[in-house]
Amino acid sequence: DGGITQSPKYLFRKEGQNVTLSCEQNLNHDAMYWYRQDPGQGLRLIYYSQIVNDFQKGDIAEGYSVSREKKESFPLTVTSAQKNPTAFYLCASRIRGFDTEAFFGQGTRLTVV
Amino acid sequence: RKEVEQDPGPFNVPEGATVAFNCTYSNSASQSFFWYRQDCRKEPKLLMSVYSSGNEDGRFTAQLNRASQYISLLIRDSKLSDSATYLCVVRLLAGGATNKLIFGTGTLLAVQP
Repeated sequence: DGGITQSPKYLFRKEGQNVTLSCEQNLNHDAMYWYRQDPGQGLRLIYYSQIVNDFQKGDIAEGYSVSREKKESFPLTVTSAQKNPTAFYLCASRIRGFDTEAFFGQGTRLTVV
Repeated sequence: RKEVEQDPGPFNVPEGATVAFNCTYSNSASQSFFWYRQDCRKEPKLLMSVYSSGNEDGRFTAQLNRASQYISLLIRDSKLSDSATYLCVVRLLAGGATNKLIFGTGTLLAVQP
């Protein structure tokens, strides 16, 4: 079945550590996105990528990094520079250039302990 | 000013009521518009796209007013199962970035028996 998969579902990190969240899709979508959601809040865009080897900062990119070496994969690294990393992270993908829906993974809940 | 603004609610309505959600966007270069639904602690899923001519899907009606930069969602005959957060989404055309998706903060709907 085609879809978008995020792993792990829950992640605990010690302060000062970098951690990488995985996002894989087999939908052949060009565009991929990372969002952060805090309790009772909407989704805020961290990074997005329109094609392989290209990505742009969203509204809250500080303290995060991404790579897009393969079409299927768009991992997000939460670095120690991110001061408040505890949140629900959502990855999405969609067909580039059309008015089509974005499909989301089930999300990763990151908690800093 | 936020790029996409919504009334956060919550909207508490009885079953069978009609409820309307509003959304305004600030960037006149916005290209596409959507309503997503998000259940508690789940990923968002597309409810419906919003077209210039307005569109309807069963009990749901979406409308777009480009002149006023305003989007609306009307839910008729509310069901308990409609209880969720409704997110307004805008796809921006900004320079070479035609695939930037911006989410509003969402409006929480609670349908009461």
